[in-house]
Amino acid sequence: AQTVTQSQPEMSVQEAETVTLSCTYDTSESDYYLFWYKQPPSRQMILVIRQEAYKQQNATENRFSVNFQKAAKSFSLKISDSQLGDAAMYFCAYRSAARDDKIIFGKGTRLHILP
Amino acid sequence: DTAVSQTPKYLVTQMGNDKSIKCEQNLGHDTMYWYKQDSKKFLKIMFSYNNKELIINETVPNRFSPKSPDKAHLNLHINSLELGDSAVYFCASSQDPTGAFYEQYFGPGTRLTVT
Repeated sequence: AQTVTQSQPEMSVQEAETVTLSCTYDTSESDYYLFWYKQPPSRQMILVIRQEAYKQQNATENRFSVNFQKAAKSFSLKISDSQLGDAAMYFCAYRSAARDDKIIFGKGTRLHILP
Repeated sequence: DTAVSQTPKYLVTQMGNDKSIKCEQNLGHDTMYWYKQDSKKFLKIMFSYNNKELIINETVPNRFSPKSPDKAHLNLHINSLELGDSAVYFCASSQDPTGAFYEQYFGPGTRLTVT
């Protein structure tokens, strides 16, 4: 069975600095998708960034980028120029490319932004 | 316009009661999901419906029964509520995931408190 591990329950970063959130996963499949979701205090789940496993190029969305290491099964999220609005729980998630497969979430990392 | 809506946002009830949470999406998606987020923020899928057909049914007590009257709605009915059912329940929707690179759109969540 696939698993997703986020080893950092909490992290803090100074405003305007860069922070990296770690995520590792375990799978025997070769074709899958990876996601980072953000959950601010409002509780809404918001997709931050996504990556297709067959793409070697790391995904980037404005200040958010990933470091996807397929062989190491690692998918870290880098947030540049951290802003107060980035404070949230961040969830790493995995989904097989197989039909009807479910998304598996990690346990989350709570990110604090220090002014 | 709200893409995925849930009602109610908060639900406080006593043990043994039966309650329902409603979910509606106006995105034209074929697949809808129910997730449970426990007190430790762990997000786990419960059910998935594709075009009103049950696709994923994780190991949840049979007191939980999803009902999909049409593909835009997926309601969650819970019988004989227990203290351990207290959690935040999220509804989500996505396009038909057959080999497609898709994302899930989440509702705002329903915080259920069983006393």
